[in-house]
Amino acid sequence: DAGVIQSPRHEVTEMGQEVTLRCKPISGHDYLFWYRQTMMRGLELLIYFNNNVPIDDSGMPEDRFSAKMPNASFSTLKIQPSEPRDSAVYFCASSPWAITDTQYFGPGTRLTVL
Amino acid sequence: GQQVMQIPQYQHVQEGEDFTTYCNSSTTLSNIQWYKQRPGGHPVFLIQLVKSGEVKKQKRLTFQFGEAKKNSSLHITATQTTDVGTYFCAGRTGAGSYQLTFGKGTKLSVIP
Repeated sequence: DAGVIQSPRHEVTEMGQEVTLRCKPISGHDYLFWYRQTMMRGLELLIYFNNNVPIDDSGMPEDRFSAKMPNASFSTLKIQPSEPRDSAVYFCASSPWAITDTQYFGPGTRLTVL
Repeated sequence: GQQVMQIPQYQHVQEGEDFTTYCNSSTTLSNIQWYKQRPGGHPVFLIQLVKSGEVKKQKRLTFQFGEAKKNSSLHITATQTTDVGTYFCAGRTGAGSYQLTFGKGTKLSVIP
């Protein structure tokens, strides 16, 4: 299996621009998680999906952030408009089913907002 | 909300020395997981502890879960340069909750 796939791996954009991060979970995994990692705040859960349905988005910082999962093999995290404080590494992770707890992380997208 | 504190934040050791990182939760945990993140990499699952007082070993790594299920530790015996990275604990409060709360990690440097 290829593991969790994220694109792009690096993104540099200017303040005010729209940014879309993409994730393909491991095939057959029912849970998908979006995390943000910064030096100051560490790893923070933004949102997670179960069977393509958003379950908990309480970690989404504000309305500028939105996430979708149109099907079992694809999810997006969108920031519009982006701000310099959004600069971070964004990880997508997936987990097999309700009983299994292990989360498999993707390689991450390093976002820099100038 | 739930908080997971991890200490120390940084640790520099000479190769061959032992290393320990500690994790403390403000609330009782149903289970705790440990992850390792190499520099420039992504978190990789190491182990999960579920039972009070549980101890698990993986070669030179020993993981413990406290009796009260509020703290945990990871001990590495005789560190090697391949152990370099950041070690995170992540706690989960309820059996039905899928939200892991991560500690901020301990960054381990090993001096050859």
